[in-house]
Amino acid sequence: QSVLTQPPSASGTPGQRVTISCSGTFSNIGSNYVYWYQQLPAMAPKLLIYRNYQRPSGVPDRFSGSQSGSSASLAISGLRSEDEADYYCAAWDDSLNGYVFGTGTKVTVL
Amino acid sequence: QVLLLQSGAEVKQPGASVKVSCKASGSTFTGYYIHWVRQAPGQGLEWMGRINPNSGGPKSAQKFQGRLTMTRDTSISTAYMELTRLRSDDTAVYYCATPPPWEAAPQLGFWGQGTLVTVSS
Repeated sequence: QSVLTQPPSASGTPGQRVTISCSGTFSNIGSNYVYWYQQLPAMAPKLLIYRNYQRPSGVPDRFSGSQSGSSASLAISGLRSEDEADYYCAAWDDSLNGYVFGTGTKVTVL
Repeated sequence: QVLLLQSGAEVKQPGASVKVSCKASGSTFTGYYIHWVRQAPGQGLEWMGRINPNSGGPKSAQKFQGRLTMTRDTSISTAYMELTRLRSDDTAVYYCATPPPWEAAPQLGFWGQGTLVTVSS
């Protein structure tokens, strides 16, 4: 049972902007950094965003992250077919004293 | 840059234990916090715990305390995850993952390829 809530699905046409929300509490997103991962089918997850909005080298600037209060969001602009994947938010939770992942959002490119 | 190579798939009976290895190459092993994450079929990601590279001290998710043991052997750059008293709902792909060296935050930039553990009688 994840403590970070995401919409189960999101979709858009090529070139559109898609936003995924991640809702938490003060003990996780409200107090700690948020991370975002992309998981392509049958692959290991890949780090997309760290420390709320930073991108590892090699991640296109079409991906952007933000955080406000106990919520965070990931935006994908200029949607491409290769962005079709599952996306997970994550954060450290001080109450659980552990790392928690979001419920995951499946992005479909129409 | 570190590469993580995990051991192969396992099939276990309920009640048994499984031990998955994660060998690091391409960079010095010391300094890397090794995290373990699992994913049941068709489900999301679940953090299991991490091991401190310096002290070897583990931190486990509450759900796994008492069943999960994480260790490492720095001489062969390998981390291990052992889960005991297996149940059918432990069937999952188990991943090891690590942040950049000496990064305590769970910035999991490097992942192993995953190990499928199937629990079935």
